[in-house]
Amino acid sequence: DAGVTQSPTHLIKTRGQQVTLRCSPKSGHDTVSWYQQALGQGPQFIFQYYEEEERQRGNFPDRFSGHQFPNYSSELNVNALLLGDSALYLCASSYSGTGLSYEQYFGPGTRLTVT
Amino acid sequence: AQTVTQSQPEMSVQEAETVTLSCTYDTSENNYYLFWYKQPPSRQMILVIRQEAYKQQNATENRFSVNFQKAAKSFSLKISDSQLGDTAMYFCAFRNPGSGNTGKLIFGQGTTLQVKP
Repeated sequence: DAGVTQSPTHLIKTRGQQVTLRCSPKSGHDTVSWYQQALGQGPQFIFQYYEEEERQRGNFPDRFSGHQFPNYSSELNVNALLLGDSALYLCASSYSGTGLSYEQYFGPGTRLTVT
Repeated sequence: AQTVTQSQPEMSVQEAETVTLSCTYDTSENNYYLFWYKQPPSRQMILVIRQEAYKQQNATENRFSVNFQKAAKSFSLKISDSQLGDTAMYFCAFRNPGSGNTGKLIFGQGTTLQVKP
């Protein structure tokens, strides 16, 4: 049973460019959340997707957008990259049904470096 | 707004000994969920243990146990018989139940734990 997978592992971009990060949820999961983790800090919630719609959003600008596909996989897009966007981007998947565990399973992350 | 605070940026412990990591949180909710996540140098965030606020009994998972003090809004993690593989950054996290089991997690700043041989 594959866990949460993310691609790419590492990415280097230049200021002003756009980037797309990808996430495949754990089998059986239908909800994907994205977090940004700056070096030495705790993850910060960006947004969450369920049924192909953004359900919750954290305090991030509109430069951060996402998408969820019918197979529950998700993309995170960041436009007009800033140096401050350099971070580890984590994807977490979970199941929306009741009576199941409350766990969010995390992927290994994508390390984005903006130069 | 809910907040989570971990006041110990770094800790170390000798192999086989016991260590306790501290976490405090702030919320006006009566029911919520608390978690400890482990993030080794490999970066993969792993759930260590979870506690539901309406349960008075402290959660235990093998060598990991928590001391949940609801009135004090304190949620500490005790690691017994520390092993070298426990070396990692540990994050305390809070989730509001109103958003269901898929709601956003609010993380603390983390505590880096070094287990020494």
